[in-house]
Amino acid sequence: GAVVSQHPSWVICKSGTSVKIECRSLDFQATTMFWYRQFPKQSLMLMATSNEGSKATYEQGVEKDKFLINHASLTLSTLTVTSAHPEDSSFYICSAMSGASYEQYFGPGTRLTVT
Amino acid sequence: ELKVEQNPLFLSMQEGKNYTIYCNYSTTSDRLYWYRQDPGKSLESLFVLLSNGAVKQEGRLMASLDTKARLSTLHITAAVHDLSATYFCAVDLGGSQGNLIFGKGTKLSVKP
Repeated sequence: GAVVSQHPSWVICKSGTSVKIECRSLDFQATTMFWYRQFPKQSLMLMATSNEGSKATYEQGVEKDKFLINHASLTLSTLTVTSAHPEDSSFYICSAMSGASYEQYFGPGTRLTVT
Repeated sequence: ELKVEQNPLFLSMQEGKNYTIYCNYSTTSDRLYWYRQDPGKSLESLFVLLSNGAVKQEGRLMASLDTKARLSTLHITAAVHDLSATYFCAVDLGGSQGNLIFGKGTKLSVKP
């Protein structure tokens, strides 16, 4: 149980284009989903928290107009990186939390490379 | 601001040896997590520690939590090469949101 998927697992895009990453909870309803970014050899940094049906809460320093988050249902959240630049290249990991416990279940991650 | 400090950040050890990774945090929290990350992969949950004095063991790994000292430890017993990975502790900020603050990670390399 408690499986979270992400799609795509890796993506290469050109500078200036937009990329959408999907995060799905496969066998539970996720009241809250989280998006993290991890640069090489660094720790995970929380980007934003989203609750189904409401606007995401962004961490300080994260541009909400650049990283668009949509939590449209209890099993799906999407992160769209708009007008991507090479410095946005990173490993993006989502996690999901059900209302039953505080534990977060992590997706397999999406490696984004912007050329 | 909650700070989570892990040490050491790098650990090279021989197979068969024991070692402990430490995780200190700066504010009150009753929920602490340990994760393992292999290169190019996401996080694998190892332990969830929910109360003071909690101790959990799985195979060669044992984790403990002392909320009064704001300290958690991950002890490795008789290390084997398969344990080579990066280990993160994460502290829950509390409340209903479940926000996690991660330590910088400890890169463990177990050599024959």
